[in-house]
Amino acid sequence: QKEVEQDPGPLSVPEGAIVSLNCTYSNSAFQYFMWYRQYSRKGPELLMYTYSSGNKEDGRFTAQVDKSSKYISLFIRDSQPSDSATYLCAMSINTGGFKTIFGAGTRLFVKA
Amino acid sequence: NAGVTQTPKFQVLKTGQSMTLQCAQDMNHEYMSWYRQDPGMGLRLIHYSVGAGITDQGEVPNGYNVSRSTTEDFPLRLLSAAPSQTSVYFCASSSIDQPQHFGDGTRLSIL
Repeated sequence: QKEVEQDPGPLSVPEGAIVSLNCTYSNSAFQYFMWYRQYSRKGPELLMYTYSSGNKEDGRFTAQVDKSSKYISLFIRDSQPSDSATYLCAMSINTGGFKTIFGAGTRLFVKA
Repeated sequence: NAGVTQTPKFQVLKTGQSMTLQCAQDMNHEYMSWYRQDPGMGLRLIHYSVGAGITDQGEVPNGYNVSRSTTEDFPLRLLSAAPSQTSVYFCASSSIDQPQHFGDGTRLSIL
C-alpha cells in the first residue's frame, strides 16, 4: 500500500464548476499538508499549506484536512480553463518538508 | 527573484555516461532535495540535505550522488547512466517556516 493515494483522473469539468480533489494517507505522523499545481513542462507550484486538521481558504481554493480519517481535500470554486493542470497532494512529518511524500497527481481539465 | 534554478533543462545521455545536474537557490533556504518524477508514480525523493555538508538518502538513492558544499548549491551526479534513470528531475528548497519550492526540472533521456 502506498503511503499516499491519489486518483490520477483525468477529471474533466465545465467552466464554473466546483472541483473536489482528494487524497488518503496511511501514516498518522504526517502533520504538514500541501497542495501543488503543476502545469505541463513546469515544476510544481505551491497552492496551499496547512498544519494539522482543519480548513484553510485562499481565494477560490479551500484545503481541508481530516486527520481522524487520514483524508485531505482541495476544493476549487468557479473553476477556470487556466486551472487545467495536474494537482499533487503532499504531506510531511517535518517542518521544512525536506522528506515530503507526494501523491501521484490528479490531472484536471476545465472546459470553456 | 530567481528562486530555484536548474540546469540543463534537457539532456540526452548514452548508457554508462556520467553527468551532473545543477541546482541553485537564492532564498537562503537550509533544506534542499532532489526528486524524480515518472508517469503514474509521482515525485520520489532521491537525496536531501538539511544544511551545508550534510546529506542523506531518500527513497530511490541508488545510482546517484550528491554533495552540499554551500547553502546555495546542491548538484546531483549520475555515476553511470542507465535507461531506468530516464525521468524528469526536480530540485526543491525549503526552510523551517517555508514549504518546498521547486525548480522547473531537467528532462533526462538515457539511450
